[in-house]
Amino acid sequence: ETGVTQTPRHLVMGMTNKKSLKCEQHLGHNAMYWYKQSAKKPLELMFVYSLEERVENNSVPSRFSPECPNSSHLFLHLHTLQPEDSALYLCASSQALAAYNEQFFGPGTRLTVL
Amino acid sequence: DAKTTQPPSMDCAEGRAANLPCNHSTISGNEYVYWYRQIHSQGPQYIIHGLKNNETNEMASLIITEDRKSSTLILPHATLRDTAVYYCIVRVGLNQAGTALIFGKGTTLSVSS
Repeated sequence: ETGVTQTPRHLVMGMTNKKSLKCEQHLGHNAMYWYKQSAKKPLELMFVYSLEERVENNSVPSRFSPECPNSSHLFLHLHTLQPEDSALYLCASSQALAAYNEQFFGPGTRLTVL
Repeated sequence: DAKTTQPPSMDCAEGRAANLPCNHSTISGNEYVYWYRQIHSQGPQYIIHGLKNNETNEMASLIITEDRKSSTLILPHATLRDTAVYYCIVRVGLNQAGTALIFGKGTTLSVSS
């Protein structure tokens, strides 16, 4: 596998369920990101990790809980979500946080909350 | 934080050059201009970035005005597969540790035969 992979690609869950989204990057990068893309809205940055430490939590509700166990893996744990949380969740990575480093995106997880 | 302004949509004939404009009049001296695109139902894809000078790679060219207040992304020979939403982004500071991508609404480019 190369690049940034995300699993699952599609997820349907009820409001009382607990699920996790997984992201893995095979690029040797040190920074990883979670973004949310709702229908007809711009991508929104959710979380940023650098060297497994969270450097930004962009006012995201606590029902979203990120985890970065190592520089290659990033998780987004979900619990008691709302229907308005239905969206495409995108993971990205970059060599470092510096402004001149481009970000590489995964294909996303399409989440539907019933 | 610098913001960008892009036209909501553009059309281009296949084989012709697509010139996508972007205004970023409040850009700071150390902020880079990035272009990404997103094909329907896929993750965004990096295209090109620049600071002051014009840049070219295998995908596109980036022309930045001398005052850095605007830029143009050029796809020299557009194909149907270039149909996508194109985002012009100025990298902004994130705490003191790095930067984040702030996406706007982008320009929807439609390439037709």
